[in-house]
Amino acid sequence: EAQVTQNPRYLITVTGKKLTVTCSQNMNHEYMSWYRQDPGLGLRQIYYSMNVEVTDKGDVPEGYKVSRKEKRNFPLILESPSPNQTSLYFCASSLGGGGVSGQFFGPGTRLTVL
Amino acid sequence: AQSVTQPDIHITVSEGASLELRCNYSYGATPYLFWYVQSPGQGLQLLLKYFSGDTLVQGIKGFEAEFKRSQSSFNLRKPSVHWSDAAEYFCAVGGDDRGSTLGRLYFGRGTQLTVWP
Repeated sequence: EAQVTQNPRYLITVTGKKLTVTCSQNMNHEYMSWYRQDPGLGLRQIYYSMNVEVTDKGDVPEGYKVSRKEKRNFPLILESPSPNQTSLYFCASSLGGGGVSGQFFGPGTRLTVL
Repeated sequence: AQSVTQPDIHITVSEGASLELRCNYSYGATPYLFWYVQSPGQGLQLLLKYFSGDTLVQGIKGFEAEFKRSQSSFNLRKPSVHWSDAAEYFCAVGGDDRGSTLGRLYFGRGTQLTVWP
């Protein structure tokens, strides 16, 4: 089954404790992206990757890091999480560029930073 | 600047009634337009997309959308709403221009749809 998987689905952590949210897709998609969703703000793009070893910032990259060492994986790293990073996070992938192809979304990761 | 406006934060309709969700966009190049649906506790699912050709596009679950370039709009419609359509709907714009927006998709803030039985 074609899918984007994220782990963990739920995470409660404390300020400053480094964490990684994994994202994996099994569709051989070149493009992957991370979004955060906050009430009333819709989805805002954090980082995206056009291909292996190619990443670029979205609208809200501060406080986040990403890497794309393999085509299928695109982890999101929070080196020192803060409460304002409490949010619902989505990973997405698509065959072509994110602006032209319909993106497949993962189920989301709900992060709470205390 | 690229942006999407969904003027209605929340819409309530009765089951069986028609539905129209509004979306206006601002995009410097030829837009690619999308509608996504998010059911409670779920990720986003693509309903339909437009990038060229016929300005009326059909999607899944009986939805359609009409692209009107003169109005910079891409409204989503459904002739008869079902209770299972209650969800949040997001309009998004992207494109294939090779500038700084390559690879980007811009979302509206969403419209929450409530369906009365």
